Amino acid sequence: QSALTQPASVSGSPGQSITISCTGTSSDVGGYNYVSWYQQHPGKAPKLMIYDVSKRPSGVSNRFSGSKSGNTASLTISGLQAEDEADYYCSSYTSSSTGVFGGGTKLTVL
Amino acid sequence: EVQLVESGGGLVQPGGSLRLSCAASGFTFSTYWMHWVRQAPGKGLVWVSRINSDGSSTSYADSVKGRFTISRDNAKNTLYLQMNSLRAEDTAVYYCARGTYYSSLFDWGQGTLVTVSS
Repeated sequence: QSALTQPASVSGSPGQSITISCTGTSSDVGGYNYVSWYQQHPGKAPKLMIYDVSKRPSGVSNRFSGSKSGNTASLTISGLQAEDEADYYCSSYTSSSTGVFGGGTKLTVL
Repeated sequence: EVQLVESGGGLVQPGGSLRLSCAASGFTFSTYWMHWVRQAPGKGLVWVSRINSDGSSTSYADSVKGRFTISRDNAKNTLYLQMNSLRAEDTAVYYCARGTYYSSLFDWGQGTLVTVSS
């Protein structure tokens, strides 16, 4: 149950697009279309932004999109806004019938 | 509106026990998988455990297997996490979450802090 690998930090200017990667193995990310992405602001509970690789829950902006290729999933945020500054975590279902999160990525909006 | 309210956190000595509760409302509790996720201070999210809708199927992270037990009372709309043999590294905010069997977590509580220290 090793954590998925995410970059520690990414940054972008308002209006730009950024992509956060999430690398796992064939036993998690690569083996299932069950990757989720969560946004967490300081002191707050996480919020689901993307599930099943690319689906958006009701109420989540269409500026957020997800994709997957092999063992790597990606979250793209387009038209960056100041309110997007937060920590982002990916997660996946695993072959052990457990969940696993990535280490988290801090997004800074310059 | 979905509401998940955790309780039961606090300070406990190493080797001690604690039971967390998560009171659910705003949805049909008995039809959903439920999960526990924790976050050590300043650290990332870690998936801890899940339970199916009727309580007959459970899974645990290796780090808590054999020490933690997840359960639920559908009549009381409440999820539990019994934590035994607690260690300093179990210190974290514990979140309960409503989700799917494959661990997509749609709704989260605000968390309860567990501190393991002498």
